[in-house]
Amino acid sequence: GQNIDQPTEMTATEGAIVQINCTYQTSGFNGLFWYQQHAGEAPTFLSYNVLDGLEEKGRFSSFLSRSKGYSYLLLKELQMKDSASYLCAVRDSNYQLIWGAGTKLIIKP
Amino acid sequence: DAMVIQNPRYQVTQFGKPVTLSCSQTLNHNVMYWYQQKSSQAPKLLFHYYDKDFNNEADTPDNFQSRRPNTSFCFLDIRSPGLGDAAMYLCATSRDNRGADTQYFGPGTRLTVL
Repeated sequence: GQNIDQPTEMTATEGAIVQINCTYQTSGFNGLFWYQQHAGEAPTFLSYNVLDGLEEKGRFSSFLSRSKGYSYLLLKELQMKDSASYLCAVRDSNYQLIWGAGTKLIIKP
Repeated sequence: DAMVIQNPRYQVTQFGKPVTLSCSQTLNHNVMYWYQQKSSQAPKLLFHYYDKDFNNEADTPDNFQSRRPNTSFCFLDIRSPGLGDAAMYLCATSRDNRGADTQYFGPGTRLTVL
């Protein structure tokens, strides 16, 4: 079967750095997405990786290792508004998007 | 601004009473999706349209139906809602469903079944 694993919940301090990991086992790979979802709201797109390496976009960076089936989202200079769930999703060989359950990130002052 | 709009934002229905949720988009995207998401769970794809072609997920109950009368609009019909159908229903669109094509989500409709 296809599977996306993410930690259920993480806690970090305002101003700090946090890394949210995602491991995947899918039939084929056509890219990996990270979305942010605030409580009660819709997911919003953060990043897309299809090649190995780090993609940086402001305070957020996303890393991919296809050989390891692994990605992480790195959030720097954490702000209270970053409190949200972060969902990892992988596009498989049939171009279906397989979603993880998300990591709830709690930011403390 | 181009966007995905869902109405209503909150819907309350009674057990067994049909309900329709609507989605519209101004992005002129080819693909429209309906997801069901329960608390702390991954979004679950119910079905999607590529233009007029309807694609039903194998495990989507028959109780759920969809219509896409034109490019801009898509509807989700729940024929006989059960208590287990209470969830957030998310509509999303994408230009295509390949590669880097990103899905853009509407704000969702939260369905309560009494």
